[in-house]
Amino acid sequence: DIQMTQSPASLSASLGETVTIECRASEDIYNGLAWYQQKPGKSPQLLIYNANSLHTGVPSRFSGSGSGTQYSLKINSLQSEDVASYFCQQYYNYPYTFGAGTKLELK
Amino acid sequence: QVKLQQSGAELVKPGASVKLSCKTSGYTFSTSYMSWFKQIPGQSIEWIGMIYAGDGGTGYNQKFKGKATLTVDTSSSTAYMDLSSLTTEDSAVYFCATYYSAPFDYWGQGVMVTVSS
Repeated sequence: DIQMTQSPASLSASLGETVTIECRASEDIYNGLAWYQQKPGKSPQLLIYNANSLHTGVPSRFSGSGSGTQYSLKINSLQSEDVASYFCQQYYNYPYTFGAGTKLELK
Repeated sequence: QVKLQQSGAELVKPGASVKLSCKTSGYTFSTSYMSWFKQIPGQSIEWIGMIYAGDGGTGYNQKFKGKATLTVDTSSSTAYMDLSSLTTEDSAVYFCATYYSAPFDYWGQGVMVTVSS
C-alpha cells in the first residue's frame, strides 16, 4: 500500500495568514492526489484534485501543488471558516490511502 | 443536484451484521462508481472499496475483504454495504462517496455504527 505522510499534525494560524500543509507519498503517485476539508460531524469536502485542480465552488485562496511524491496545500489569507481538519488522499493506486490529517486552528 | 442520503445510526451487538444504505439522486447512478469509507472519530479515513453500478463489479481494500460486501440496486439508485461479524473495532462513521465530475466530489452525510453489547 502507498503510505501518505502528512504534516504538520496540527497548525495554529492567525486570520489573514498563509498556511501550508504537506503530504509525502511513499512512491510516485503521478499527481493522483486530492485534498479534503472536514469540519466536526460533517463529511469530507473535496478542495483539490489531480494535485492542483480547484474543485468547483472552492474559494481561490485554496491551491494545490506538487508532483512525484511531494505535494502541498496552501491556504492564502486564512478565514475563520477555514478552521477544520484537512486530509490528503492518493487515488493513483489501490487501495486508496489518506494522510493522518492536519487540524487547523485559529491563533 | 447530486445527493447521497445515508441511512440512520446503528447500534448493533458484537457478532451481528448490519446493512448500510446510500440512496442517490441527481445523476446517472447506473453508470457510476460508488466508494465506501470508514472513519473512527478523531482519526483519519480508510477506503473500504468500490462498486460499479453498471455491472456490480467490485474492488476491495484487502483489509476489508470478508468484512464488507458492496451491492447496488439500480432500480432505486441505492448502494449498500453489508458489514459482517461486527466487533468493537468496527465502531466508526461510514461514508459513501461518488465520482461525479471529480474524484469523490460528492459524499453522503455519514452513518455512525456502534458495536456494543
